[in-house]
Amino acid sequence: GAGVSQTPSNKVTEKGKYVELRCDPISGHTALYWYRQSLGQGPEFLIYFQGTGAADDSGLPNDRFFAVRPEGSVSTLKIQRTERGDSAVYLCASSPGPYNEQFFGPGTRLTVL
Amino acid sequence: DAKTTQPPSMDCAEGRAANLPCNHSTISGNEYVYWYRQIHSQGPQYIIHGLKNNETNEMASLIITEDRKSSTLILPHATLRDTAVYYCIVNLGAGNNRKLIWGLGTSLAVNP
Repeated sequence: GAGVSQTPSNKVTEKGKYVELRCDPISGHTALYWYRQSLGQGPEFLIYFQGTGAADDSGLPNDRFFAVRPEGSVSTLKIQRTERGDSAVYLCASSPGPYNEQFFGPGTRLTVL
Repeated sequence: DAKTTQPPSMDCAEGRAANLPCNHSTISGNEYVYWYRQIHSQGPQYIIHGLKNNETNEMASLIITEDRKSSTLILPHATLRDTAVYYCIVNLGAGNNRKLIWGLGTSLAVNP
């Protein structure tokens, strides 16, 4: 079956611009996670949704970052006034149940010039 | 901060068993040990998890010490496609505390 998909696969933007990154989870998965990963580092947690609500947004670095999941399926990560330090691979994962096996998408590589 | 410690890199000959260690001395009684791997330029992939007992699936075996302060992931017959960064993570696995805290992992190179 289809896995987690993320679009776009690559995004190049200029400092100060607004970007949206999309995640399509596996059908039926109620939990959705966003992480970001810088070169040579492990993924860094950003936010976790259970259904439509953000159950834990403690990893969002500041108020320029926002994520939504209005219908409990697709999620969008929104970054305002992008900075060069936001450049990273943004990973999305979904999970079907309580044992936290997370299925990851291929990521979106964001480059802020 | 990650609650686990792993060696930064390891080598293994193709066809041999790869044994990847992980220390988690501060693990609490209800935390699980999870293993994921990340092949270059791909998203992480779940491998296996366990609480107390040893676990085995089609990918690997997980051996957890009796005191639960360390574990070993075993790839029984490593292939070139197993070259990846392997992450050991401890997590409650339920409720709202489900975020995974990742360290730097172990970079495993499987050599022909």
